[in-house]
Amino acid sequence: DARVTQTPRHKVTEMGQEVTMRCQPILGHNTVFWYRQTMMQGLELLAYFRNRAPLDDSGMPKDRFSAEMPDATLATLKIQPSEPRDSAVYFCASGLGAGTSVDIQYFGAGTRLSVL
Amino acid sequence: GENVEQHPSTLSVQEGDSAVIKCTYSDSASNYFPWYKQELGKRPQLIIDIRSNVGEKKDQRIAVTLNKTAKHFSLHITETQPEDSAVYFCAASTYTGRRALTFGSGTRLQVQP
Repeated sequence: DARVTQTPRHKVTEMGQEVTMRCQPILGHNTVFWYRQTMMQGLELLAYFRNRAPLDDSGMPKDRFSAEMPDATLATLKIQPSEPRDSAVYFCASGLGAGTSVDIQYFGAGTRLSVL
Repeated sequence: GENVEQHPSTLSVQEGDSAVIKCTYSDSASNYFPWYKQELGKRPQLIIDIRSNVGEKKDQRIAVTLNKTAKHFSLHITETQPEDSAVYFCAASTYTGRRALTFGSGTRLQVQP
């Protein structure tokens, strides 16, 4: 049963610290999405990549957030410096898209981030 | 951009009854409509999806209907069971440009035994 793997599952940090979240997409998937979930805002898209190239990061605060895909098996989301308002669950999802086909997205278990 | 509205925000039904959750979307170019179920503390999981060339799709006790003219789609769960209790999210996506999902705000379904 192939799954998207996210690490760490939980992270507690202090305001101002750097946070790095990692995601391993399902092998063979070429599209990776980062979402943030809060009670107030629901599920928000932060950024996504296809074939490791960023396609849309308009949902991401550029001054402190950055997303990369160093290789096809690893996606990272960094927050520097972190703020209490960044506290949320961050989900990674992966899918397989080609041409005009639409991605079915499979979610990882999430990283629960608490910034004190 | 796309905007997806979902109703109701909470729904309580008796075990064995049916549950219906409705979503409307704004972008007429949207053509893929998945539904995700999220149990407390767990990841969202795809339960059913429908594409714009189909009006209805069924999978055992769950079904989704799509009305492209009215730009709305619905999730129907029949013979509800306590394990159906969760938050359900609808979403919409479009082929053109931004091919990510726009999610509705979620419906918390509680099935009373």
